[in-house]
Amino acid sequence: GQQVMQIPQYQHVQEGEDFTTYCNSSTTLSNIQWYKQRPGGHPVFLIQLVKSGEVKKQKRLTFQFGEAKKNSSLHITATQTTDVGTYFCAGVGGSYIPTFGRGTSLIVHP
Amino acid sequence: DSGVTQTPKHLITATGQRVTLRCSPRSGDLSVYWYQQSLDQGLQFLIQYYNGEERAKGNILERFSAQQFPDLHSELNLSSLELGDSALYFCASSATGAGGEAFFGQGTRLTVV
Repeated sequence: GQQVMQIPQYQHVQEGEDFTTYCNSSTTLSNIQWYKQRPGGHPVFLIQLVKSGEVKKQKRLTFQFGEAKKNSSLHITATQTTDVGTYFCAGVGGSYIPTFGRGTSLIVHP
Repeated sequence: DSGVTQTPKHLITATGQRVTLRCSPRSGDLSVYWYQQSLDQGLQFLIQYYNGEERAKGNILERFSAQQFPDLHSELNLSSLELGDSALYFCASSATGAGGEAFFGQGTRLTVV
């Protein structure tokens, strides 16, 4: 079945440094979604990418979908303590079920 | 507030017991997903319902079952509970169930002792 791998598992940064998490699917996706889960919270939808090579920005967050629609990345510029949490990618294939990666936990040191 | 309501928020029960987790989706959403989140497994898809019908099954154990009622709320039944079933159980809803944005509830933290 479809598998979604996400790296790194953890990332420690100093406040103001950049952060990137990467997501790879074993199969071609129809779309990819990104979610953020704060400590003790629930996953919250951030964005959905649909087109090959698509790039979307939300303030300091940049999301990319690979040309082959099998990989994606989330880049945060100049991290802030409010960025702390776990970032999940969720690949959607032919079954239309979001398959989640294991997430990248971002720890920001002030 | 996502608009998805899950009850109870916390549940402590003994091994061998049976529990029912409840989910009310966002108003108008027809699809409900159930996910299990544990520390070492991330978010694992269990099952999806769409407008009352089972649409997809993931890694759901035979001891677990679910249903979606005519008013679209859903219940996840976990029976013959084992220590390893301790986890956060999330319900999520989406408008169409065709792979679009999913809205998650606050989750039910199940502890089996």
